[in-house]
Amino acid sequence: GAGVSQSPSNKVTEKGKDVELRCDPISGHTALYWYRQRLGQGLEFLIYFQGNSAPDKSGLPSDRFSAERTGESVSTLTIQRTQQEDSAVYLCASSLVVQVRLNTEAFFGQGTRLTVV
Amino acid sequence: GQQVMQIPQYQHVQEGEDFTTYCNSSTTLSNIQWYKQRPGGHPVFLIQLVKSGEVKKQKRLTFQFGEAKKNSSLHITATQTTDVGTYFCAVAPHSSNTGKLIFGQGTTLQVKP
Repeated sequence: GAGVSQSPSNKVTEKGKDVELRCDPISGHTALYWYRQRLGQGLEFLIYFQGNSAPDKSGLPSDRFSAERTGESVSTLTIQRTQQEDSAVYLCASSLVVQVRLNTEAFFGQGTRLTVV
Repeated sequence: GQQVMQIPQYQHVQEGEDFTTYCNSSTTLSNIQWYKQRPGGHPVFLIQLVKSGEVKKQKRLTFQFGEAKKNSSLHITATQTTDVGTYFCAVAPHSSNTGKLIFGQGTTLQVKP
């Protein structure tokens, strides 16, 4: 597809279970971002990939959160032993970073709405 | 770490009134972007400002980047109901050698018809 694709669009899981969220960025986009947005709140930065490397993991809330990216394409965000406070919309975005410190437009996916019950 | 403050958090205006949201950083910024998120939607890019003192216009929207590259504003003239949504600024810290993009908390605009 032409845009950023995220799956699943909705996920309901039981507390304590692990979940995997997937992001397919726009082809050729070198930068990939994950954000968390709680209801009525702003975008909380989680992690950023440049290629397959994650130069900044500072936003990951705890060691239950991890992310990887392969083939400079698909990324997965994994949350282990989910807690109710993990309930939120998880947004993925990609962009074409052509030079350091000069971002270009970030294109967002529709997000995955995670509900932990 | 990099923090960016955005004010106000909420704004209710009558249709036809003007609206302004401000984004302030404690450190110099490489550039600043503005996004709009409609209720139930995802953020959509509006514009990017790079140069000190830059001013850009998109129809009724005017974007400014401060001379010191530490603050920015988005002004909407004569709001319409289609302007409803949350407006976010997003910044790439000057000190960062990566493409990290940090979002402000957003200003949610409600427009009464």
